This record gives sequence, structure tokens and C-alpha cells, in this order.
Amino acid sequence: AQTVTQSQPEMSVQEAETVTLSCTYDTSENNYYLFWYKQPPSRQMILVIRQEAYKQQNATENRFSVNFQKAAKSFSLKISDSQLGDTAMYFCAFMKPVNNAGNMLTFGGGTRLMVKP
Amino acid sequence: NAGVTQTPKFQVLKTGQSMTLQCAQDMNHEYMSWYRQDPGMGLRLIHYSVGAGITDQGEVPNGYNVSRSTTEDFPLRLLSAAPSQTSVYFCASRSDRVPGNTIYFGEGSWLTVV
Repeated sequence: AQTVTQSQPEMSVQEAETVTLSCTYDTSENNYYLFWYKQPPSRQMILVIRQEAYKQQNATENRFSVNFQKAAKSFSLKISDSQLGDTAMYFCAFMKPVNNAGNMLTFGGGTRLMVKP
Repeated sequence: NAGVTQTPKFQVLKTGQSMTLQCAQDMNHEYMSWYRQDPGMGLRLIHYSVGAGITDQGEVPNGYNVSRSTTEDFPLRLLSAAPSQTSVYFCASRSDRVPGNTIYFGEGSWLTVV
């Protein structure tokens, strides 16, 4: 079974600065997907960024980028130029290879990020 | 295009009552699933379906039933509600036809059992 660990329950950052959220995972699979989801107070699950394990290049989406270290089983999220709207819970999630009929995402416990003005 | 729609958004139940959380998707996705999120935790899979007429258990299935009579609908039934089922419930769908294994979530249903 897969496990996902987020070791930072809470973090804060000043507006416009950069922050990195940590995530480690444990799996015996060689091919898989990793995700970061943002959950604002409304509880909506918003996909931030996705990484496919067979791709060596780190994924980037505007101000969001990841540092994917497959050998170390590490998947950190970097948020650049932090904005007040980035304040939310952030969940790291692992997904087994394609044709995963159960949509089974294994989630970490989350990191609560507060962006301060 | 509504995506994944859940009803109700909020519900308060008494212990022992039964209820059904509704989920509908209009994207013709093969796969649908239900997750629950307890305070301070990530989501955990309750039940899932790979198509009409086919369902299976996830990580935390006890106390819940599901059925999938159509591609669009995947209701979650609580047969005899318990306070331990107080949680936020998310329905999700996915299709192999959509690149990237994107999972589409509903907006959540907040359930309190007193």
C-alpha cells in the first residue's frame, strides 16, 4: 500500500515571497502520478499541478512548480510570488498507474498555508 | 457543462437515521467514486464504480452502500447514521478518454450526525 506524508502541518509566508511545501511518499510502483491539490475554506478540491513519474522534467504551472525526486520519493511544491488567494490547505496525493478504476488517490495529511499581507 | 454535482450540500441527521447523498456527472465518465474527509485529514476512498452495474469497496466502506444503475448517477447511502460518519463527502469521476488522469471532484456534502 502507498503512503503519503506531509511533514509540515502549518506554514506561513509573506505576500510576494516564495514558499516550499514538502511531500514524501512510499510505493513499490515504478509508474504513477503525483498531484498537489488546493482546498480553500469552501472545501472545493482544486488541482494545482500534476507530475507523471516517468517524466524526468519537473512540472510547472505559472507560479507553481514541483521538485520531483523519484529516487528519494520526494515531491515538493514551490509557490512563487505568493498571493493572498493562495491561503488554503494543500494536499499531496499519489495515484497508481493508468486504468486505476477506483480513482484511488492516496492523500497526505495536508499543509495549511497562510499568506500574510 | 455542470461537471460533478452533489446534493445536498449540507445535512444534519440523527443517529440511526438513513439518507442518500446524490452524485451526478454529465461528462459520460466511466469511473465514479466517493471519498470522505474528516477534520484535519486528507480524503479517503469509500466506494467506487467502473461502470453501470459495477461497484466495489474502497478503503473505508463500512456503513455505506452504493449502486450505479446509470452512467451518470452514483448515490451513496447511509443505512443507519452514526456520529463517526460526520464528515465532508466528495464524489469524483474520471475517464480514460481524458488525458492526464484528471479526477473531477464535486463541491462536497457536509454531513453532521448528532
